[in-house]
Amino acid sequence: NAGVTQTPKFRILKIGQSMTLQCAQDMNHNYMYWYRQDPGMGLKLIYYSVGAGITDKGEVPNGYNVSRSTTEDFPLRLELAAPSQTSVYFCASSYSTGEQFFGPGTRLTVL
Amino acid sequence: KNQVEQSPQSLIILEGKNCTLQCNYTVSPFSNLRWYKQDTGRGPVSLTIMTFSENTKSNGRYTATLDADTKQSSLHITASQLSDSASYICVVSENTGFQKLVFGTGTRLLVSP
Repeated sequence: NAGVTQTPKFRILKIGQSMTLQCAQDMNHNYMYWYRQDPGMGLKLIYYSVGAGITDKGEVPNGYNVSRSTTEDFPLRLELAAPSQTSVYFCASSYSTGEQFFGPGTRLTVL
Repeated sequence: KNQVEQSPQSLIILEGKNCTLQCNYTVSPFSNLRWYKQDTGRGPVSLTIMTFSENTKSNGRYTATLDADTKQSSLHITASQLSDSASYICVVSENTGFQKLVFGTGTRLLVSP
């Protein structure tokens, strides 16, 4: 099993550009999550999904969108990138409210 | 406000020595407490998960304790190895339908040869 995979590993965006961060898991987990980790701060939940077709906002959803058309995939869309979105983004998955398994992260810089 | 505070922020120890990391939380209602290890440039990896009724849980050289009355937890690392160099994150789960996780900022541990 590959676990949770994320692409790309690194990305530099210009202000106002858009991009999609990809996340996939092969553990048949029903719950998936997107977090951001800023320097010196704890992880913050952006969006989560409890199953295909169901998504909900976390603590810091502004500027982001998600979709969950399949159990395996949970892409995160950034529209009109801003410097405040410079961060490391982690995708995670779990079987219901159990242990969360994290991907390797995507380091995003917005200039 | 639900918060998780960890101390110290950073720590340097010699290889082979023991150390203890601290976590205080104000999360309510409480569901469980988790310790994660995060290597530089990697995602967090779960070490232990403890529920309200568990006082101690071990995972190899890692032993976590929980005092739900004082809302404190500790992570003890025995006979440290160079590979233990990482950030250790305390995470508390709220006892809601979704079980939102509240993350601490982590303790950065450096094990020196």
